[in-house]
Amino acid sequence: AQSVAQPEDQVNVAEGNPLTVKCTYSVSGNPYLFWYVQYPNRGLQFLLKYITGDNLVKGSYGFEAEFNKSQTSFHLKKPSALVSDSALYFCAVRGTGFQKLVFGTGTRLLVSP
Amino acid sequence: SAVISQKPSRDICQRGTSLTIQCQVDSQVTMMFWYRQQPGQSLTLIATANQGSEATYESGFVIDKFPISRPNLTFSTLTVSNMSPEDSSIYLCSVDRDYITDTQYFGPGTRLTVL
Repeated sequence: AQSVAQPEDQVNVAEGNPLTVKCTYSVSGNPYLFWYVQYPNRGLQFLLKYITGDNLVKGSYGFEAEFNKSQTSFHLKKPSALVSDSALYFCAVRGTGFQKLVFGTGTRLLVSP
Repeated sequence: SAVISQKPSRDICQRGTSLTIQCQVDSQVTMMFWYRQQPGQSLTLIATANQGSEATYESGFVIDKFPISRPNLTFSTLTVSNMSPEDSSIYLCSVDRDYITDTQYFGPGTRLTVL
């Protein structure tokens, strides 16, 4: 069965500092990995995905994520956080073949001025 | 990407009533999904809706409670029937053109409160 773990309920970072939001996964076969962001009273917005190829994936708003197969991780990163990055972030995984997209529990990112 | 709209954006309903949520996509898509996000929780898939066939429900969700229609490739509805306060959630529509590797895009959600 597929599963996603986001071990941190909340991540606090000061504006201008680098940020990391952690995600580990379990899936049969090759993983397809996604990050989404949810702002208050909004739907989910797609940030980036890893399907195959380069392990470092760049996405929207300056975010990037690194796929690490040996550690089964797909951590979200940004070199310099903005206050406007404060939101709820979800990691999701889908396995090979048609399997449903499974979401982690979400990590709230709080960037302080 | 896909532009997805949902109606209503929010509603407050009485216990025992039903609410139908509409999802409209700006282009034809094969697969549409309905998710529930309970307060402070992650997303849970309710069902997958393909045009021309009955929806496929996930464990814990039944058609009598959450009937779904998919009359064409750009539109779907989800009805929350005989509502109770436990149904208070955000309901999100999602679409996926290529179910293997493409991205699922989400609508803005419908925030439902049941009194």
